Amino acid sequence: QVQLLESGPGLVKPSETLSLTCTVSGVSFNSYYWSWIRQPPGKGLEWIGYVYKNGDTSYSPSLESRVTLSADTSKNQFSLNLTSVTPADTAVYYCARDRALRADFDIWGQGIMVTVSS
Amino acid sequence: EIVLTQSPATLSLSPGERATLSCRASQSVYNYLSWYQQRPGQAPRLLIYGASNRATGVPARFSGSGSGTDFTLTISSLEPEDFAVYYCQQRSNWPLCSFGQGTKLEIK
Repeated sequence: QVQLLESGPGLVKPSETLSLTCTVSGVSFNSYYWSWIRQPPGKGLEWIGYVYKNGDTSYSPSLESRVTLSADTSKNQFSLNLTSVTPADTAVYYCARDRALRADFDIWGQGIMVTVSS
Repeated sequence: EIVLTQSPATLSLSPGERATLSCRASQSVYNYLSWYQQRPGQAPRLLIYGASNRATGVPARFSGSGSGTDFTLTISSLEPEDFAVYYCQQRSNWPLCSFGQGTKLEIK
């Protein structure tokens, strides 16, 4: 079945770059858009952005200046880089399959908790 | 930016009762509205897309309705596993996306 698995460091220092990778299995990577979504502790969900197989991206306006998404089709992976992090970036980060035409996220990874702290 | 407002913030009901959750958009999102269920410690799960279409594997007790600015998620008869947080999400101005703040459905 389709599985998404986030990986990366669970602790990042303030002002540094948060880097995460999502590995996709069980589905054709090239057939979908792929998004990152985050959730601060005890709070709601925030869409970060999407990446497509050809490198096309789109970002949330609130994060656009600090976010870069990329895709590696040879590895069925896509990645998130978030620069100049602060404690406000502490959250569970989810990767998700983005069904653009249906405007929803139908499959999610389990999530990875990232804490920004010195 | 389109803002989604969910109500109530918390809904206390008993198993077997009917639950009605609301999501209101600050401007029309047509039918580009989805609902998600999130249990503690788990990732969100897609329940409803296109305002009224059940996702694969979602029980028939879950139904969605509405269009434009007012939407409803109804759970016809609550099961113990339905007590969770529910989020609505819109994407009428794709690719931009926003979520509601959530409704916590708790056991009375």
